[in-house]
This record gives sequence, C-alpha cells and structure tokens, in this order.
Amino acid sequence: NAGVTQTPKFRVLKTGQSMTLLCAQDMNHEYMYWYRQDPGMGLRLIHYSVGEGTTAKGEVPDGYNVSRLKKQNFLLGLESAAPSQTSVYFCASSYLANQPQHFGDGTRLSIL
Amino acid sequence: AQSVTQLDSQVPVFEEAPVELRCNYSSSVSVYLFWYVQYPNQGLQLLLKYLSGSTLVKGINGFEAEFNKSQTSFHLRKPSVHISDTAEYFCAVSNQGGKLIFGQGTELSVKP
Repeated sequence: NAGVTQTPKFRVLKTGQSMTLLCAQDMNHEYMYWYRQDPGMGLRLIHYSVGEGTTAKGEVPDGYNVSRLKKQNFLLGLESAAPSQTSVYFCASSYLANQPQHFGDGTRLSIL
Repeated sequence: AQSVTQLDSQVPVFEEAPVELRCNYSSSVSVYLFWYVQYPNQGLQLLLKYLSGSTLVKGINGFEAEFNKSQTSFHLRKPSVHISDTAEYFCAVSNQGGKLIFGQGTELSVKP
C-alpha cells in the first residue's frame, strides 16, 4: 500500500519551460489537493479536487493548471515556469472533506 | 476568513523536558483542527485531530492537544520529548468545505 506517490521527486527547469507533476493515490480517496511549501509560510493550497472530473482553485492558483481525469490521479501543470514557482510541492488526499489528509513526500522544483 | 498563527517559529528544548507548541486560529464558524509533523525531506504526517467531542485530544508519539474555544487556541503538548521528536510541526484549521489553512510552522529542536 503506497499511499500517495508523487513523481518526480526533484526537477530543475529553465524559465519559460513547462512541466507536469503527477500525484497518484491508492486509497480510493475522493478529495485530492496540491500545496506549495515555502520557508516561513507553511503550506498554501494551489488547487484541489472533490472527485473525478472536478477541480477548483485554492489560495494561490495563478500560473498553475490541474486535471483529474482518473480518480486516483491528480496532475499539476506549469505552462510557463517562473522563478517565483521555485518551491516544494506536496500532493495530499482525503476520503471526505474534513477527514485527515494523507501527504506524499513532495517534489522539489527549482526554476532558474 | 480563517487564519492560523503559530506563535513560535523555533522552540529549542532539552531531551526529557516538557514542551508546548502554541497555535491560535480565527474563524467565525465551527472548525476542525489538526496538528501535523514533518520530518526532514518528508511529507506531513497527522499527529492528532479535533473534529468534535472531548476538547483534550491524544495523538501519536505521546502528543496531546487541547481545544479551547473561548481562547481560539489548539496548543500541542508533550510531557517528555525525545531526540526523535526534532521536526517541524504545523497547526491547521478547516471549515465545512474541507480546505486546510496551515500555520507558518514551528521548528522543534530537541537537544541532548
């Protein structure tokens, strides 16, 4: 039982490049979330999904897009990466709203 | 709007001493409260949660927290810490919608 798996674990991009971060969960959870973690700021919600085929904006959605075509997968896309998007990205999932969220180990992304 | 304030960014403590990590929140509606722990280069793990019922909540690794509605606080305590408790701790609050708002984090450093 892997829980929440994020790929890749590390990535370095140049400004303007695009990439997709993949999150996969094997717990049959309805809710999935993408956060970014920056020093001294805790975790901030980028986008989330309350079920297959749904997405919604979080606190800091600008510059990111997401898709949830399958229940177990939640993709985070950066269309044109900017240095301000250098961060550690965490995916999480939960069975229902207000149930504890299960987190992946993160993706460290550097934009040069 | 909801917000979470963790009153200490760093807490140094000696092994076997007691520790309290402070968390205050603001919300005009009923909330659900969580403490998560993050070890270096890992994702977040749930320590404990308050959803309803008893205001004293016990979690894993000997931690406990008390929900105080009048003071809008949810402080985390442990009577005797170990070296292995060195980590970053996050307080989080959510409302009916399930989105988590995190505090800025408290770095607990346990010294021998």
